[in-house]
Amino acid sequence: EVQLVESGRDLVQPGGSLRLSCKASGFTFSSYWMGWVRQAPGKGPEWLANINQEGSYKFYVDSVKGRFTISRDNAKSSLYLQMNSLGVEDTAVYYCARWSLALDYWGQGTRVTVSS
Amino acid sequence: EIVLTQSPGTLSLSPGERATLSCRASQSVSDNYLAWYQQTPGQAPRVLIYGASSRAPGVPDRFSGSGSGTDFTLTISRLEPEDFAVYYCQHYVNSRWTFGQGTKVEIK
Repeated sequence: EVQLVESGRDLVQPGGSLRLSCKASGFTFSSYWMGWVRQAPGKGPEWLANINQEGSYKFYVDSVKGRFTISRDNAKSSLYLQMNSLGVEDTAVYYCARWSLALDYWGQGTRVTVSS
Repeated sequence: EIVLTQSPGTLSLSPGERATLSCRASQSVSDNYLAWYQQTPGQAPRVLIYGASSRAPGVPDRFSGSGSGTDFTLTISRLEPEDFAVYYCQHYVNSRWTFGQGTKVEIK
């Protein structure tokens, strides 16, 4: 069974940093593009970043470019999102997802709250 | 940047009725990478349709997708109680993913 489990839920102050992790199981992690999507309260999903199978190509939405860094460790079947310079507008549920012609598997999401 | 615009914002229907949801792209897109998702409260989105018209595994056949170019449609032939949810279209181009703003299908 394919599973994606995010961790790193936290309350962080504006200007702070946070690292999210996503542990994959049930499939060959190194064979898939992976990505992060967030959803602010009452809003639709927003793509943040994705990464190819080897980790050699990374793409970001403009609003997080230079602040967020996506990475992966295929040996650990894990995906990461390092988030720096967080603002209140980054408050959302963060999902990791697998790409295979569509985002066919999603994690359960981890809530990040940026507040003083 | 391609913008996906979904309409209507909210669709009020009764169980058993047909639902037609629209997704319009700001420029022509490859239908190979147009997908539809369903999201219920507190849950992650779930893929229903990929490649504009292919049903994902396990998706009931009352869900169908169609369209090409700039205009795409998700049709639910007969609404079941569990179909009342929010639906999003999504596109992939140049390694970037874009979502529409969503259509809420609510019980009338």
